[in-house]
Amino acid sequence: EMQLVQSGAEVKKPGESLKISCKGSGYSFSTNWIGWVRQMPGKGLEWMGIMYPGDSDTRYSPSFQGQVTISADKSISTAYLQWSSLKASDTAMYYCVKRDSSGPFDYWGQGTLVTVSS
Amino acid sequence: DIQMTQSPSSLSASVGDRVTIDCQASQDISNYLNWYQHKPGKAPKLLIYAASNLATGVPSRFSGGGSGTDFTFTISNLQPEDVATYYCQQYDYLPTFGQGTKLEIK
Repeated sequence: EMQLVQSGAEVKKPGESLKISCKGSGYSFSTNWIGWVRQMPGKGLEWMGIMYPGDSDTRYSPSFQGQVTISADKSISTAYLQWSSLKASDTAMYYCVKRDSSGPFDYWGQGTLVTVSS
Repeated sequence: DIQMTQSPSSLSASVGDRVTIDCQASQDISNYLNWYQHKPGKAPKLLIYAASNLATGVPSRFSGGGSGTDFTFTISNLQPEDVATYYCQQYDYLPTFGQGTKLEIK
């Protein structure tokens, strides 16, 4: 069974760093694009970026370029989303997504809630 | 960026009704358009891909159509479990989502 399992909820202070994870199973992790989607409280879905673990090709939404880093360790089928200095405005639910070869996001992780508050 | 404009932003309908949501792209995206259902506390779920193709296991009361810049999503025979927010998403280049349509039951 294909699954994406994300790391647990995080509570951080502004200025702190954070790396959340998403482990894929039941499919070929290296040969499928994996990405991240943000949902801020009470708001809609925003695509952040995507990576091809096989060659580390990474694409970012212009809105998130330079704000986050997407990476992956294909040896353990895990993707990451990282911040070097969190802001209160990073408070949101973050979903990892697997992209089907034809384009749609066919599998979603359960979400990781990140709360940034002083 | 390709902008996606969804309408309406919210909608209330009765069980058994036919419901339609529109999505307009800021430029021609051919049929590179998907629809997702998002229920509170759950992960979003793919319903329709490539504008009109039903994803695996999705009930046939859901359908999609359109191409180019104008797309529609329809639920025929609305059921109580269809209460959710629905999003269109283009994937012609860098993906973008519409702002969502919140569907409630009257």
